[in-house]
Amino acid sequence: AQSVTQLGSHVSVSEGALVLLRCNYSSSVPPYLFWYVQYPNQGLQLLLKYTSAATLVKGINGFEAEFKKSETSFHLTKPSAHMSDAAEYFCAVSEGDYKLSFGAGTTVTVRA
Amino acid sequence: NAGVMQNPRHLVRRRGQEARLRCSPMKGHSHVYWYRQLPEEGLKFMVYLQKENIIDESGMPKERFSAEFPKEGPSILRIQQVVRGDSAAYFCASSRGTSYNSPLHFGNGTRLTVT
Repeated sequence: AQSVTQLGSHVSVSEGALVLLRCNYSSSVPPYLFWYVQYPNQGLQLLLKYTSAATLVKGINGFEAEFKKSETSFHLTKPSAHMSDAAEYFCAVSEGDYKLSFGAGTTVTVRA
Repeated sequence: NAGVMQNPRHLVRRRGQEARLRCSPMKGHSHVYWYRQLPEEGLKFMVYLQKENIIDESGMPKERFSAEFPKEGPSILRIQQVVRGDSAAYFCASSRGTSYNSPLHFGNGTRLTVT
């Protein structure tokens, strides 16, 4: 069975500071991994996905994530936070089929 | 190109009533998925449908919940005799296919409140 664990339900960063959101996964087969962002009262928007090509994946809005098999991790980073990055972020895993398993989410607040 | 359309955005029902949630997938998408988000939790898979077929309903509660995706019209998630524990955000997603090359596109959700 596949699952993800997001460490830290809330992260607060200063504008311009590094954003680091942690995600660890468990999967019985090589996984597909995703990060989604959810703005208030909206649906989820795909930020990026890992599908066994390059281990460093670049996404939209300046975000990137690195797949580390040895650590079973897929942490999301952005070098410089912007006020518009305030949202909830979800890590998700799939074993190649249609069913995604989501983490509990990390809420990011950005301080001016 | 319209995205996944869900309605209503907000739905309030008293205990015992029925809730009907509608989802129109993106144009060209024939795969529809329903997910539920409980407060402080991530999304949980409920059901996967293609036109006129339920492919996987392993995440659906055994009673009171049903889903359909008719040949014509939107997909419907139906909850009969709602209880307070059904209060949640229900998200619909659609895709062209089921491989990793066919990412899910999510609607803005229906927030169900049971009073």
